[in-house]
Amino acid sequence: EAQVTQNPRYLITVTGKKLTVTCSQNMNHEYMSWYRQDPGLGLRQIYYSMNVEVTDKGDVPEGYKVSRKEKRNFPLILESPSPNQTSLYFCASSLARETYNEQFFGPGTRLTVL
Amino acid sequence: AQSVTQPDIHITVSEGASLELRCNYSYGATPYLFWYVQSPGQGLQLLLKYFSGDTLVQGIKGFEAEFKRSQSSFNLRKPSVHWSDAAEYFCAVDPILTGGGNKLTFGTGTQLKVEL
Repeated sequence: EAQVTQNPRYLITVTGKKLTVTCSQNMNHEYMSWYRQDPGLGLRQIYYSMNVEVTDKGDVPEGYKVSRKEKRNFPLILESPSPNQTSLYFCASSLARETYNEQFFGPGTRLTVL
Repeated sequence: AQSVTQPDIHITVSEGASLELRCNYSYGATPYLFWYVQSPGQGLQLLLKYFSGDTLVQGIKGFEAEFKRSQSSFNLRKPSVHWSDAAEYFCAVDPILTGGGNKLTFGTGTQLKVEL
């Protein structure tokens, strides 16, 4: 089944404790992206990747890192989480052509930083 | 910068009633336009999309949307709402960047409640 998976689905952590949220897709998509969803703000893009070893900042990259060593994986790293990073995070992927390509979303990771 | 406005934060309708969710965008050219639905505890599911051509597009679950260039709007409609339609709905635009990829800009969402 074609899908985007994220782990963990739920995470409660404390300020400053490094964490990684994994994202994996099995559709051989070049483009992957991370969003955060906050009440009243909708979804905002954090980082995106056009292909292996190619990443760039989205609209709200501060406090986050990403890497793209393999095509299928795009982990989101919080080196020193803070309470303002408490949010619902979504990973998404699509083909990377100039015509439209549907973006597939993962199920989300709910992160709480105490 | 491009933006998407969903003016209604919450909407409540009775089951069987018609529904219209509003979406306006601000962008220099006509972008690709989307509506997504997020059921409680779920990810986002694509309802429908508009690229070009017929301005009335049909989607899944009986939804449709109409693109109006003069109003920069892409409103979502359903003739008869079902209780299972209760969810949060997001309008999104893709500016069609050169080089490929999808940079979606989302509206703030409209929470739909359905009264039985």
